Amino acid sequence: DGGITQSPKYLFRKEGQNVTLSCEQNLNHDAMYWYRQDPGQGLRLIYYSQIVNDFQKGDIAEGYSVSREKKESFPLTVTSAQKNPTAFYLCASSFGGVEETQYFGPGTRLLVL
Amino acid sequence: AQSVTQPDIHITVSEGASLELRCNYSYGATPYLFWYVQSPGQGLQLLLKYFSGDTLVQGIKGFEAEFKRSQSSFNLRKPSVHWSDAAEYFCAVGGAGNNRKLIWGLGTSLAVNP
Repeated sequence: DGGITQSPKYLFRKEGQNVTLSCEQNLNHDAMYWYRQDPGQGLRLIYYSQIVNDFQKGDIAEGYSVSREKKESFPLTVTSAQKNPTAFYLCASSFGGVEETQYFGPGTRLLVL
Repeated sequence: AQSVTQPDIHITVSEGASLELRCNYSYGATPYLFWYVQSPGQGLQLLLKYFSGDTLVQGIKGFEAEFKRSQSSFNLRKPSVHWSDAAEYFCAVGGAGNNRKLIWGLGTSLAVNP
């Protein structure tokens, strides 16, 4: 089955720790996206990538980093510089044009210990 | 400024009743318009989208939406709501002039009474 997988489902971060959220897709999509979702704030774009080895900052990139070494994978690292990381993180992918449907993974919930 | 407004944060309807979720947008170019649905703790799924042509768009799960350019609106409708429609609904707008990024509304939470 084609789709997007995110792991882990839940992730716990200690103070000063970097953590990496995984996102993999087998839909042969060119574009991939990371969103952060907080209650009452909708979806906010963190980073997006339209092609391998290239990515752009979204609206709330501070404290996050990404890589796009493979078409299928777009991992997100939440660094210690992100002071309020508790949120639901959603990964999406599409064929790249703005008119294209974005397909979402099931999400990762990040909690701070 | 480009923006999407979903005026209703929370709506409750009875099962079998009709539903209309409102979406208003501000966008300088020709907009591409989307409605997505999110079940609790899950990712989002596309219900329908509009780019051009017929302004009444049919989607999955019996939903439809109407694009009204004069009112800058793209309201989502369903004639008879089912209990399984309880979810969060998001409107989004995009266009060629925004680096392929979507602008998202804050969502409308739908509860369905039996």
